[in-house]
Amino acid sequence: KNQVEQSPQSLIILEGKNCTLQCNYTVSPFSNLRWYKQDTGRGPVSLTIMTFSENTKSNGRYTATLDADTKQSSLHITASQLSDSASYICVVRGGSQGNLIFGKGTKLSVKP
Amino acid sequence: GAVVSQHPSRVICKSGTSVKIECRSLDFQATTMFWYRQFPKQSLMLMATSNEGSKATYEQGVEKDKFLINHASLTLSTLTVTSAHPEDSSFYICSASSSGGPHEQFFGPGTRLTVL
Repeated sequence: KNQVEQSPQSLIILEGKNCTLQCNYTVSPFSNLRWYKQDTGRGPVSLTIMTFSENTKSNGRYTATLDADTKQSSLHITASQLSDSASYICVVRGGSQGNLIFGKGTKLSVKP
Repeated sequence: GAVVSQHPSRVICKSGTSVKIECRSLDFQATTMFWYRQFPKQSLMLMATSNEGSKATYEQGVEKDKFLINHASLTLSTLTVTSAHPEDSSFYICSASSSGGPHEQFFGPGTRLTVL
């Protein structure tokens, strides 16, 4: 079954600290993996998108990694800011239909 | 980046009434639009896929007669929740793609529906 699992479910960190969010998937065939940021009550906003051949991709303070062999991805946030408080969703495109398969997200809270 | 808007952003209605949600692509032509539903602390669940000018394709378990989708133009898709019930209360999000299939999708800001 095509699934995307994220951990931790929630995370609280202090402003200025770094953190890493994890994503494991069992989607096959794999097309690409995306990380989205979803503020409360808003739609998801794309942070990064990686294909099979890409190992790492950065977008400002966000750095995503992908290990297609172990089917794992991570999102590292550097020097967190209060505005980083949101849900971060890992989404894998793949499967026989090529649909987007969503993880449940990690809810990040950055405290002052 | 491409902008997708939704209207209204939140709506409260009485049980048994119908509610229409609009999804617009503001600066590109959306060949395909997707409708998702998200319950609290859950991931987005695809409800249906609509291509401009043709009937929507519904995911298993989604009632097509209850969730009416119209994609009459390349910039507008509407979702009508008919005879709404409290269990239909959810966050409805649309996304739009400028090419056929689930390629790069741009998400709208969502619509919070509360059915009393």
